[in-house]
Amino acid sequence: SYELTQPLSVSVALGQTARITCGGNNIGSKNVHWYQQKPGQAPVLVIYRDSNRPSGIPERFSGSNSGNTATLTISRAQAGDEADYYCQVWDSKDVVFGGGTKLTVL
Amino acid sequence: QVQLVQSGAEVKKPGASVKVSCKASGYTFTSYDINWVRQATGQGLEWMGWMNPNSGNTGYAQKFQGRVTMTRNTSISTAYMELSSLRSEDTAVYYCARERTRDAFDIWGQGTMVTVSS
Repeated sequence: SYELTQPLSVSVALGQTARITCGGNNIGSKNVHWYQQKPGQAPVLVIYRDSNRPSGIPERFSGSNSGNTATLTISRAQAGDEADYYCQVWDSKDVVFGGGTKLTVL
Repeated sequence: QVQLVQSGAEVKKPGASVKVSCKASGYTFTSYDINWVRQATGQGLEWMGWMNPNSGNTGYAQKFQGRVTMTRNTSISTAYMELSSLRSEDTAVYYCARERTRDAFDIWGQGTMVTVSS
């Protein structure tokens, strides 16, 4: 079965750029979606199909996908960006989530 | 506005079944698939399966095959997820989420806490 690998944690200084990776075999050939989840809340879609932002998501959130790695980039990180982030793909008829990355804003 | 509203928390004994509902509003219920995702405390997201509300067709993750059933009532725009033979490891928050044609999950329910305890 297909697997997605994310770092357990990423730290970023306030106002700097955070990058969260999602590794998978030839993931560049798949559409990758990213979700933000804050404690006690349901996940929220922040990037869909590699690099598209839903309405209401700040331009500071961007995504890319190539080869074996997809990346979620958060520019000018704010305290409110502190959360867990999950990548997700469809593998044939199944959904696969990455293990999640805890983003800490210092 | 577009939303999915789930039923309330449940406490079940091992071996019992639980049925969680997910009521859609603000959009055409039959135009989007409904997926179910669960999350144990402190753990990641785990996909359980999908259902097409228009046809009733379903697809389940292998881990839950034989134990999960996803259904719907289109007259009240509500999807259901029933999990049987519950065990303590099934204690988790269960989410429904809508999606169209193997795309992103753009709207999520608020989650339903299911506790399995003797």
